[in-house]
Amino acid sequence: AQSVTQLDSQVPVFEEAPVELRCNYSSSVSVYLFWYVQYPNQGLQLLLKYLSGSTLVKSINGFEAEFNKSQTSFHLRKPSVHISDTAEYFCAVSVAGNTGKLIFGQGTTLQVKP
Amino acid sequence: DSGVTQTPKHLITATGQRVTLRCSPRSGDLSVYWYQQSLDQGLQFLIQYYNGEERAKGNILERFSAQQFPDLHSELNLSSLELGDSALYFCASNSYNEQFFGPGTRLTVL
Repeated sequence: AQSVTQLDSQVPVFEEAPVELRCNYSSSVSVYLFWYVQYPNQGLQLLLKYLSGSTLVKSINGFEAEFNKSQTSFHLRKPSVHISDTAEYFCAVSVAGNTGKLIFGQGTTLQVKP
Repeated sequence: DSGVTQTPKHLITATGQRVTLRCSPRSGDLSVYWYQQSLDQGLQFLIQYYNGEERAKGNILERFSAQQFPDLHSELNLSSLELGDSALYFCASNSYNEQFFGPGTRLTVL
């Protein structure tokens, strides 16, 4: 079975500071990895995904994540955050080539302060 | 807008009642996934349908059932509701290993 651990439930950070949201996963088979963002009272939006190829993946709004197979991690980073990045972030995995169902971590609330 | 629609947006009901949540996937997507988001359990996969057939099952209670119709919309039926069933219920459809989520139905059981 697969599992996802997000190591921080809340991450407070000042605007324009860098941030890292940590995600570790457990799986005995190959997985796809995802980061989703949920703004207050909204649904989930895909931020970025790793399926194969380059281990560094980037989003259009400045976030990036690196797949590290040896450490079974997929940490999310942004060099300079904005107030508008305040949201809940979910790391998720699915078994490669399987049904596509997602196993989510518990979520990390990113609080960007002015 | 993900292209996935869910109705109703909010639902308030009493314990012991039965409700139906509806989801329409993005045009062309054959899969529908249902997830439950609650404060104590987080985001949990419930069930998946692909082109009308059940494909995968997660932590779905026996009081809950789902189906996918020929036009590919799906319904999640929740019966004998309990206070603990209060949650946000999402559906998603899948395309090229990417899931697109609907806005969710917030269920409150009083």
